[in-house]
Amino acid sequence: DSGVTQTPKHLITATGQRVTLRCSPRSGDLSVYWYQQSLDQGLQFLIQYYNGEERAKGNILERFSAQQFPDLHSELNLSSLELGDSALYFCASSAEPGQQETQYFGPGTRLLVL
Amino acid sequence: AQKVTQAQTEISVVEKEDVTLDCVYETRDTTYYLFWYKQPPSGELVFLIRRNSFDEQNEISGRYSWNFQKSTSSFNFTITASQVVDSAVYFCALSEQGNQFYFGTGTSLTVIP
Repeated sequence: DSGVTQTPKHLITATGQRVTLRCSPRSGDLSVYWYQQSLDQGLQFLIQYYNGEERAKGNILERFSAQQFPDLHSELNLSSLELGDSALYFCASSAEPGQQETQYFGPGTRLLVL
Repeated sequence: AQKVTQAQTEISVVEKEDVTLDCVYETRDTTYYLFWYKQPPSGELVFLIRRNSFDEQNEISGRYSWNFQKSTSSFNFTITASQVVDSAVYFCALSEQGNQFYFGTGTSLTVIP
């Protein structure tokens, strides 16, 4: 158990809908990362937050957004969902924001868009 | 072009055999970090090792060992005397300056009892 929690574990929704995925980092970690793991694209870095501020952006679609709250939990919002958004979404956390930091991953949220 | 290439999509070995998982990376940064993660059937990604670009010493941890060679941009992972519990998907990852993170496509390892 990495100490990173994600809810919900599974989510089934329809195209065009909007969903919110939630992540709580390990105790003491200030940085949160979001990843998408799909069969065709593998594990893709989406975005990173550090202490409430966006720190780095990867391959995140404009339909997706995220934020990190004062209590350090983070939410990933996915809107206008398409079939291709079906994937496993991971959250990870690290103590500090630097590239050298080891990221500890949560169990993931499996999203199915029908 | 892929930043991290794991050419072996699937590998099967018989228990107690040694197996090496290959990882080749591409970066122009002088400072970068390399990682290996394990994803067992349960789905969670488990951290195995981190190595910075200035440390080319090989590392051994129990049955696991890592061979980092900057000259060939490789960071290979060897499991000695494999066990069924080693069956998982293994990912190699690269972090560059500017906090960009790249994962390989993974190597699925099956250890047959």
